[in-house]
Amino acid sequence: EPEVTQTPSHQVTQMGQEVILRCVPISNHLYFYWYRQILGQKVEFLVSFYNNEISEKSEIFDDQFSVERPDGSNFTLKIRSTKLEDSAMYFCASKDGARNSGNTIYFGEGSWLTVV
Amino acid sequence: AQKVTQAQTEISVVEKEDVTLDCVYETRDTTYYLFWYKQPPSGELVFLIRRNSFDEQNEISGRYSWNFQKSTSSFNFTITASQVVDSAVYFCALSEASRGGNKLTFGTGTQLKVEL
Repeated sequence: EPEVTQTPSHQVTQMGQEVILRCVPISNHLYFYWYRQILGQKVEFLVSFYNNEISEKSEIFDDQFSVERPDGSNFTLKIRSTKLEDSAMYFCASKDGARNSGNTIYFGEGSWLTVV
Repeated sequence: AQKVTQAQTEISVVEKEDVTLDCVYETRDTTYYLFWYKQPPSGELVFLIRRNSFDEQNEISGRYSWNFQKSTSSFNFTITASQVVDSAVYFCALSEASRGGNKLTFGTGTQLKVEL
């Protein structure tokens, strides 16, 4: 069964460093997302991406964050200068956008980011 | 604005008991989608079910069943004859059709512990 894959599964970085989290969405999907989950809390929407541009972003997704789809398969989240409060599980997700898909969003296994 | 409330923070049951996880949602849209996701201790988000706002039929899948009631804005999830492997955090989520990116808004989750 097709799945969303994410790398790395776990990254430890020093405060102020740049981090890039990578995702390969399901191959025929058109909508891509990043969500984050701080330990023990709920899953929060960061950004959605469609047709090579951001379609919606949350208040969390400030200038320190950016997304890119550099080729036909990868979807990346960059955090320019990490802060301690960026420590969280980051989930990539995708959706195929077809009429009969019912808007089901499929998630990857997550990338756990620890900022020290 | 869309909102999902899962009032039960944690539920503990003994194996083989039935358990119902509550979910109440708020939306101004007439077309929307409701979801349940399971997050086992390993951390990934596993899609369980999607429901469209115009389809109030209840659904059963093995030991899982879902009760969607628009009149009370609820989408409750019942596990029959619970098993230890059902232990996880369960998230209810909502997406509105009017929002192009169809982002998901999650509830705070219910931690289910099934003990022998």
